[in-house]
Amino acid sequence: GQSLEQPSEVTAVEGAIVQINCTYQTSGFYGLSWYQQHDGGAPTFLSYNALDGLEETGRFSSFLSRSDSYGYLLLQELQMKDSASYFCAVKGNDMRFGAGTRLTVKP
Amino acid sequence: EAQVTQNPRYLITVTGKKLTVTCSQNMNHEYMSWYRQDPGLGLRQIYYSMNVEVTDKGDVPEGYKVSRKEKRNFPLILESPSPNQTSLYFCASRATTLGELFFGEGSRLTVL
Repeated sequence: GQSLEQPSEVTAVEGAIVQINCTYQTSGFYGLSWYQQHDGGAPTFLSYNALDGLEETGRFSSFLSRSDSYGYLLLQELQMKDSASYFCAVKGNDMRFGAGTRLTVKP
Repeated sequence: EAQVTQNPRYLITVTGKKLTVTCSQNMNHEYMSWYRQDPGLGLRQIYYSMNVEVTDKGDVPEGYKVSRKEKRNFPLILESPSPNQTSLYFCASRATTLGELFFGEGSRLTVL
């Protein structure tokens, strides 16, 4: 079957760096995506890795290692507005999500 | 503006009363899917569709039906809703070759 594992909660202070890990087991894999969801809102796309390595988009970076079935989202220079839930998602023929990591940024 | 539109946004209904949640996208995406979100469980896939007339079950399809007669529309049908289907539902779409999923604003359904 398919499964994705990510920590349920992470807490960090403003200005810090935080890494959210995601490990997956899947029968078909094309890439790993990351989404952000604020309370009461819809998930929004952050990044997508189809190949091994690091993808950087502003303060956010995402990494993938296909051989380890592992990826992470790195958030730098944390701001209060980054407090949200973050989901990793595996793209196969469909798109399956992890249970999400709730990030709390404290002043 | 590229968007996924789902309706209704909020609905309170009673057990057994059939309902349909509509979903429409204007990006000509081949892939569309439905998710339900419950506290602590993340986004669980109900059904997905790779293209017109092609649908497949996700992780939690019981009690739901879908159809994909047109590329832009992917309605979710609850033939006989039950209280355990009370949830927040999201419709999403993407181009087949890309990794970005576009979400609708969500439909909060309460079944009494």
